[in-house]
Amino acid sequence: EPEVTQTPSHQVTQMGQEVILRCVPISNHLYFYWYRQILGQKVEFLVSFYNNEISEKSEIFDDQFSVERPDGSNFTLKIRSTKLEDSAMYFCASKGQPQETQYFGPGTRLLVL
Amino acid sequence: DAKTTQPTSMDCAEGRAANLPCNHSTISGNEYVYWYRQIHSQGPQYIIHGLKNNETNEMASLIITEDRKSSTLILPHATLRDTAVYYCIVRVDTSGTYKYIFGTGTRLKVLA
Repeated sequence: EPEVTQTPSHQVTQMGQEVILRCVPISNHLYFYWYRQILGQKVEFLVSFYNNEISEKSEIFDDQFSVERPDGSNFTLKIRSTKLEDSAMYFCASKGQPQETQYFGPGTRLLVL
Repeated sequence: DAKTTQPTSMDCAEGRAANLPCNHSTISGNEYVYWYRQIHSQGPQYIIHGLKNNETNEMASLIITEDRKSSTLILPHATLRDTAVYYCIVRVDTSGTYKYIFGTGTRLKVLA
């Protein structure tokens, strides 16, 4: 069964450093999402992406964040200058058509020291 | 803000049916109800979804009230591996994004 994959599974970085989280969505899916979950809290929507552009972003997704689909398979989330409060699990999700179900990846645990 | 409210936690005996309620009194006519679960800190796993009719698949059944203001997820024979946080989500359509707004979910503990 096809699945969303994410790398790395864990990332430790120093405050102020740039990080790139990578996702490989399910093949032939066209809609992509990033969510995050701070330890012990709810899963929060960050951004959605379709047709090579952001379709919606939340208040959390400020200028420090960017997304990109650099090739036909990867979908990345970049945090330009990490802050302590960026420590969280980051989940990628994808779907094929607008009204279809989103499928989530296993997540990347980011720890900012 | 999430459009759903769920009990914080529930226990269920192994082998028994687990019935997880969800209130979504402000749901709009074309908004779907989705159920996902999250085991430890893994990615949310899709379970089932519906609009107004009851739905069943190999994992669970979804019962939606006629007024659509609430629903119940039923795991017919809960096992220890069903211990997880279960999220009831109303899929919100803004600009065609169909994003998910998660609530705090119900922590289901299946007891041996």
